[in-house]
Amino acid sequence: DTAVSQTPKYLVTQMGNDKSIKCEQNLGHDTMYWYKQDSKKFLKIMFSYNNKELIINETVPNRFSPKSPDKAHLNLHINSLELGDSAVYFCASSQDVARGGTDTQYFGPGTRLTVL
Amino acid sequence: AQKITQTQPGMFVQEKEAVTLDCTYDTSDPSYGLFWYKQPSSGEMIFLIYQGSYDQQNATEGRYSLNFQKARKSANLVISASQLGDSAMYFCAMRAPGGSEKLVFGKGTKLTVNP
Repeated sequence: DTAVSQTPKYLVTQMGNDKSIKCEQNLGHDTMYWYKQDSKKFLKIMFSYNNKELIINETVPNRFSPKSPDKAHLNLHINSLELGDSAVYFCASSQDVARGGTDTQYFGPGTRLTVL
Repeated sequence: AQKITQTQPGMFVQEKEAVTLDCTYDTSDPSYGLFWYKQPSSGEMIFLIYQGSYDQQNATEGRYSLNFQKARKSANLVISASQLGDSAMYFCAMRAPGGSEKLVFGKGTKLTVNP
């Protein structure tokens, strides 16, 4: 009965590789997000999708490409990984206030990405 | 631009005592939402409490309450009767207005509950 799930939980890879992180939510929410938490624990929005449409893209390098096959899934693909990409990536979801939601964002468990 | 400030990098409290974690925010929009999240050492982000800018009363959720002072632009989290399991990072966040719904986070406060 996991609400927001992410796979994998840990990802260790070499510089230059391409990797993907998957996210799924079973809350019936309309909006999904990707956040990055750096080594100093600072959290920053990367992307947001509403009903499979991109609505936020926060000056993220185009090596990062989100994909939403349906409103329950939002995957993150990263090309040509760099050392600076090492971080914890969180997926989150929320229900629009206009659709009766509370706007609260619920987070997945995070994916710790380490680029060597 | 919206901004969240948490001025306490670390806080210590004795078990069973109350503790207040500070949060101030900056926005020019009259409609916004304020959130607190807990991040234990295991890493997950746990939603604790929400306060809307138009809410007349301070939000409460069990041992958590939010001391919302709109004129001062502060939204401090009060944890009553601290427990050892409350030791964690605590993040204050604001929903950016304008329909984007993104959260802007503060830098967090690390709370340690001593036995």
